[in-house]
Amino acid sequence: EIVLAQSPGTLSLSPGERVTLSCRASQSVSSTYLAWYQQKPGQAPRLLIYAASSRATGIPDRFSGSGSGTDFTLTISRLEPEDFAVYYCQHYGRSPEMYTFGQGTKLEIK
Amino acid sequence: EVLLLESGGGLVQPGGSLRLSCAASGFTFSKYAMNWVRQAPGKGLEWVSGLVGSADDIHYADSVKGRFTISRDNSQNILYLDMSSLRAEDTAIYFCAKDGIFNNGVWDYLDSWGQGTLVIVSS
Repeated sequence: EIVLAQSPGTLSLSPGERVTLSCRASQSVSSTYLAWYQQKPGQAPRLLIYAASSRATGIPDRFSGSGSGTDFTLTISRLEPEDFAVYYCQHYGRSPEMYTFGQGTKLEIK
Repeated sequence: EVLLLESGGGLVQPGGSLRLSCAASGFTFSKYAMNWVRQAPGKGLEWVSGLVGSADDIHYADSVKGRFTISRDNSQNILYLDMSSLRAEDTAIYFCAKDGIFNNGVWDYLDSWGQGTLVIVSS
């Protein structure tokens, strides 16, 4: 079973700052099968990044993803007020067949 | 525009049953795998179940296997989740989520989500 550990649990930052969120897998995974989601209070998750670095439709280019093996990151180059939310990484794929979510990182306004 | 609208949630006693529905529009429903993902109050996301467009490949999380049944009606563009033998730990918002890749199997990223329906299991 693949376990995804996200860090930190909570980040307090100000609009305009740059932030990097971490997602570490318990074993090496293909970057083809790593996604990031954003969830705001009372809302459904929204797909930001798939295949580790591909932005989903309509996602601003201040969001970028990278990584390989066991270490993946989501970077927001310049925080906007609407970016304060919880971010989840997810592994999806066929080896093994499963979906796994990280526990989430909460990005809050400082 | 893809729209997913869940319904059927509510308060149910432990051991009871409930059927959730997800009405889909804005895409060729029969050509996409669909999933249910849940979120307990204040907690993270947990995948529950998924099935391919033709419904001949179905998967469940171990936590619900044998108690929940996923199905779909491609003529009506509706996804279902039949839940039985409900437990307190099944209390959650249940989201339906669309697979991101056309005519592929399960286990892809989830590119569209409904707003969810709340299930509370309590006596």
